[in-house]
Amino acid sequence: RKEVEQDPGPFNVPEGATVAFNCTYSNSASQSFFWYRQDCRKEPKLLMSVYSSGNEDGRFTAQLNRASQYISLLIRDSKLSDSATYLCVVNGAGNMLTFGGGTRLMVKP
Amino acid sequence: SAVISQKPSRDICQRGTSLTIQCQVDSQVTMMFWYRQQPGQSLTLIATANQGSEATYESGFVIDKFPISRPNLTFSTLTVSNMSPEDSSIYLCSVWLSGTGTYEQFFGPGTRLTVL
Repeated sequence: RKEVEQDPGPFNVPEGATVAFNCTYSNSASQSFFWYRQDCRKEPKLLMSVYSSGNEDGRFTAQLNRASQYISLLIRDSKLSDSATYLCVVNGAGNMLTFGGGTRLMVKP
Repeated sequence: SAVISQKPSRDICQRGTSLTIQCQVDSQVTMMFWYRQQPGQSLTLIATANQGSEATYESGFVIDKFPISRPNLTFSTLTVSNMSPEDSSIYLCSVWLSGTGTYEQFFGPGTRLTVL
């Protein structure tokens, strides 16, 4: 079983749609959780950290369920510019990040 | 946010040769990380480079194949030795730094390597 699992997609959605990505992780001792965004041929960049209580940043909402070892990202009112690969990332011991395989999102006009 | 640069940005190399990738950060950092991203895949950690000590390699990666230097707190190199087509990948360095209100891992722009 992979340490961090994501549905690779692609998710093809129209502009304005709401889309949700899920991620599961295997290491119950994981401490920190993140969503990174990676545009084609670019490096990953932090989209948002994921906190136990859930957190929101504009159109983006992240949720963490430690009991189920499950992380989610919800994007509301999708924009064309949201098209990218979204990486679920888990921080274990020693500040080392483990990346999921990424979920590709394509927002169409 | 951090400014991280890598050289070269891309290269095409013959099998059996070696390539050294440089990573420069505009802040002093204790740990620098080297990742590999193979085509269509996510990122895999190769090793952690600490200044003043030997790098720590992840399972599946060895020093003879991926020697790393860390001469000071702002610079590191990763060498891909005796290359084969399977080494074709993007190689990224990264560091942990304070971002906008949070502590996050920043990545360099990557080095795109193609081995023929």
